[in-house]
Amino acid sequence: QQQVKQSPQSLIVQKGGISIINCAYENTAFDYFPWYQQFPGKGPALLIAIRPDVSEKKEGRFTISFNKSAKQFSLHIMDSQPGDSATYFCAARTGGSEKLVFGKGTKLTVNP
Amino acid sequence: NAGVTQTPKFRILKIGQSMTLQCTQDMNHNYMYWYRQDPGMGLKLIYYSVGAGITDKGEVPNGYNVSRSTTEDFPLRLELAAPSQTSVYFCASRDIIQYFGAGTRLSVL
Repeated sequence: QQQVKQSPQSLIVQKGGISIINCAYENTAFDYFPWYQQFPGKGPALLIAIRPDVSEKKEGRFTISFNKSAKQFSLHIMDSQPGDSATYFCAARTGGSEKLVFGKGTKLTVNP
Repeated sequence: NAGVTQTPKFRILKIGQSMTLQCTQDMNHNYMYWYRQDPGMGLKLIYYSVGAGITDKGEVPNGYNVSRSTTEDFPLRLELAAPSQTSVYFCASRDIIQYFGAGTRLSVL
């Protein structure tokens, strides 16, 4: 079964708009939730990560919102730019484990 | 400082052939990983290593083998390649966060 469900599969946003990508999980033992950004032909790169003891983490234009009771977390990209066009993956991991479980990815296109 | 280097970048194999995907990192990280990425499916962990001489299975280890004789190198071996192993393979290493290589695109025909 898919442990981390990511939506939408694709997203088109105008320059300056807000991009929102959502992920849901079932395993309450997950305690680390990273987001990765991947450009075509490149490996994923860590964008931002959160642990469940906080409800929000912001780094520049990127914000993770975390809802522990709903078992959901989301990535918000403020003032989206064409350079943000990439595939974004959410992931989760349980404490003490090396096994990251990835969502299926969201292809973001930011139109100029 | 090159980070995580994977070779080759592309490879076409015939069914039943074998090959080794190479991965080396120059960051002195103990933890290393192999993932495969299929279209629309995210990344799945194949094998990982927490240090030289120590390896463990991930989510999809069947059809693959690994070894870790040095801190720097973590090769992935495919024996008897099958079409189902057509994928993009990523190696990663970490200290606090994971750093990924640029990937190896493999086709098995």
